Amino acid sequence: DAKTTQPPSMDCAEGRAANLPCNHSTISGNEYVYWYRQIHSQGPQYIIHGLKNNETNEMASLIITEDRKSSTLILPHATLRDTAVYYCIVRVASGGSNYKLTFGKGTLLTVNP
Amino acid sequence: DAGVTQSPTHLIKTRGQQVTLRCSPKSGHDTVSWYQQALGQGPQFIFQYYEEEERQRGNFPDRFSGHQFPNYSSELNVNALLLGDSALYLCASSLFLRPVGKNIQYFGAGTRLSVL
Repeated sequence: DAKTTQPPSMDCAEGRAANLPCNHSTISGNEYVYWYRQIHSQGPQYIIHGLKNNETNEMASLIITEDRKSSTLILPHATLRDTAVYYCIVRVASGGSNYKLTFGKGTLLTVNP
Repeated sequence: DAGVTQSPTHLIKTRGQQVTLRCSPKSGHDTVSWYQQALGQGPQFIFQYYEEEERQRGNFPDRFSGHQFPNYSSELNVNALLLGDSALYLCASSLFLRPVGKNIQYFGAGTRLSVL
């Protein structure tokens, strides 16, 4: 799986959009970008994933650049409860569930009042 | 709909002991993966079980073993505990035959193991 690079920490004001970048310059054409977050001492929570197109769900939006070498997770209106470590993960789109997630250190997002 | 459940939530053991951690997957899921998360690090993949067989394994010694039961629940066993085994152990479940691109692993809250 391709390696990802994320800033170690970011701050965001409550109510503002949080934009978390991820670099995956060695990504292959069949690799998906996944985002998880982990609130202190809890299990990782799935947020969103995508292959080529931008994606949006009830939690966030995922913007993938045209060359697929980087992506941005957008939390449109950050709240204090969004304070967490955010992990960007790239994985091969192999069939079935026979895959592992390779986590880096992620980005600690702190939402301030 | 119950999510992934793990037990116990906390556990304290001493060096050399053995420990068993348990995981019940999300309803409808048939695949269980285990991860170890040391303090300040991201989770590291230990192994994955499907159809009661170990399908994939990370870089962990044989002291780490597992089992999957017919009801898809799973156990993680660690023998001869070391101080370095102190960590949060996470279980994730998924559905093996899910189409490509719709395959998501959902995590439990984890078991915090402290080895003294």
